[in-house]
Amino acid sequence: EAGVTQFPSHSVIEKGQTVTLRCDPISGHDNLYWYRRVMGKEIKFLLHFVKESKQDESGMPNNRFLAERTGGTYSTLKVQPAELEDSGVYFCASSPHRDREAGELFFGEGSRLTVL
Amino acid sequence: DAKTTQPPSMDCAEGRAANLPCNHSTISGNEYVYWYRQIHSQGPQYIIHGLKNNETNEMASLIITEDRKSSTLILPHATLRDTAVYYCIVRVGRSQGNLIFGKGTKLSVKP
Repeated sequence: EAGVTQFPSHSVIEKGQTVTLRCDPISGHDNLYWYRRVMGKEIKFLLHFVKESKQDESGMPNNRFLAERTGGTYSTLKVQPAELEDSGVYFCASSPHRDREAGELFFGEGSRLTVL
Repeated sequence: DAKTTQPPSMDCAEGRAANLPCNHSTISGNEYVYWYRQIHSQGPQYIIHGLKNNETNEMASLIITEDRKSSTLILPHATLRDTAVYYCIVRVGRSQGNLIFGKGTKLSVKP
């Protein structure tokens, strides 16, 4: 069974440009999460989808970030316009567990974003 | 959510048990203890979680003190591939997706 896959693995863009990151969760996982680690900082939660609905987007840094999950399958995270401080690694994770269950998150390998 | 405290780094000899401590003195009754690790720059990897009882799986054992104020992750026979940053995270079950990773413990397994 395929794990969580993310694309691209590395993206280099200039400040002010737009980048779209994609995440394909494990098939059948209703929960999808985005996290990121910016340079020198800890891994931080961005948002949580349950199917196509945003359950928690408290970690989204500002309105330059837009996450979507149309149809409740794959998700995209768009950064527009990108700033230097957006550089880092963006991780996607998925989980089959219902909201009140405890359980593991399955993480992808991450998409490294470099903004020049 | 309860805060966790971990040593910043630890060393372990290959083949020996690695015991990683975590303090979570403000943990609530409905909060679980989770352990994840990040090997180099890969995505975080789930290891184990528990609420009150000790837990064991194919990767590790989790020992939680009776008062639940601290826990220990045990890797019974550490290998070089276990070198990673290990994160102890406390989280209520119903919002287990919003994990707060902290700085973790950098475990170095040495030959």
